[in-house]
Amino acid sequence: QQQVKQSPQSLIVQKGGISIINCAYENTAFDYFPWYQQFPGKGPALLIAIRPDVSEKKEGRFTISFNKSAKQFSLHIMDSQPGDSATYFCSPKGLNQGGKLIFGQGTELSVKP
Amino acid sequence: SQTIHQWPATLVQPVGSPLSLECTVEGTSNPNLYWYRQAAGRGLQLLFYSVGIGQISSEVPQNLSASRPQDRQFILSSKKLLLSDSGFYLCAWRVGGPYNEQFFGPGTRLTVL
Repeated sequence: QQQVKQSPQSLIVQKGGISIINCAYENTAFDYFPWYQQFPGKGPALLIAIRPDVSEKKEGRFTISFNKSAKQFSLHIMDSQPGDSATYFCSPKGLNQGGKLIFGQGTELSVKP
Repeated sequence: SQTIHQWPATLVQPVGSPLSLECTVEGTSNPNLYWYRQAAGRGLQLLFYSVGIGQISSEVPQNLSASRPQDRQFILSSKKLLLSDSGFYLCAWRVGGPYNEQFFGPGTRLTVL
């Protein structure tokens, strides 16, 4: 049962460009939408998260856009830098999940100088 | 502040040998604890999670087992390793509450030869 579908699997962007990663979900009970960032050889870490009471949240160069009707949320990285090269995971969550988290398949981003 | 430790950082084991990976958390009480495996540096596969001492939920049938002998200690074990057990093993914790982030450890790189 695939509750979360992340795309694309990999992404190559030139320095200064915009990186866009999408996460589609099925469970309408999800009400918390975080993105995690993982550098090679390290554990993932929370990057940015949004609640459904807003459609967009911006933190520096990172923005989450949320589309409730489409059951989709996206991560936008503006002015992408080589240091942003990492794997990104979405992990939507709802109250009915208890302690268990669900992660998307991951998107490997490579920003070329 | 909270910290999470995993050891060893890297491990090379022959097929058929036993395994014991340890994870400890400091600076928090009664955390939810998780073991993930990541193959080929991509998706996170949840193996086990625990909401309390002695309480283990298994997500994937396999030759691995987990135990939680103390509140902040989580151990991943195997009696006989398979080649397919190779991967990057991540321990994680979070405290209760539906919207709290999950914190990952530094990971253990396991190679089974």
